[in-house]
Amino acid sequence: DSGVTQTPKHLITATGQRVTLRCSPRSGDLSVYWYQQSLDQGLQFLIQYYNGEERAKGNILERFSAQQFPDLHSELNLSSLELGDSALYFCASSPNTGANVLTFGAGSRLTVL
Amino acid sequence: AQSVTQLGSHVSVSEGALVLLRCNYSSSVPPYLFWYVQYPNQGLQLLLKYTTGATLVKGINGFEAEFKKSETSFHLTKPSAHMSDAAEYFCAVLNQAGTALIFGKGTTLSVSS
Repeated sequence: DSGVTQTPKHLITATGQRVTLRCSPRSGDLSVYWYQQSLDQGLQFLIQYYNGEERAKGNILERFSAQQFPDLHSELNLSSLELGDSALYFCASSPNTGANVLTFGAGSRLTVL
Repeated sequence: AQSVTQLGSHVSVSEGALVLLRCNYSSSVPPYLFWYVQYPNQGLQLLLKYTTGATLVKGINGFEAEFKKSETSFHLTKPSAHMSDAAEYFCAVLNQAGTALIFGKGTTLSVSS
């Protein structure tokens, strides 16, 4: 157990729908990162939050959004889902703003039918 | 911009044989380099990292990697493979801003008895 908790582990939904993925960082960590892992794109950085504020943005689609709450948990919202959004979504956390000490969760597998 | 190339999407070795997984990087600044391992249905686990100092880095489970600036390489090795080493391995470089890891496409290691 890495200490980073992601829910749900698996999610199946239909095109056009909206889902929310949740992440609780490791105790004491202030930063949360979201990554998407797909067969064609590999591991892609989506977005980072630090202590409630957006810190860095990667290849995140406009249909996707995220936020980090005062208790430091984070949610990734995916809307108007397409077949190509099917992927494994990882959350990682780190103690501060640097990504050189990342701890990953087990991931949420999203299947869009 | 930083990037990582992993040579060989699939490597097969026999139990007890040398493991060599290749990684080349591109970076406009002195790189911070990482190797992560992903076991089936699990998140990514840090094997080892290079930041500064000694170029030969030892990690968990008997793995090590050597940073070679002249070759822009950070290959991962293990003298003797175990069946339990079968997994997917990712090389990564820290982006220039220090806000995210940029991953290679990954190499799947198979170990046969």
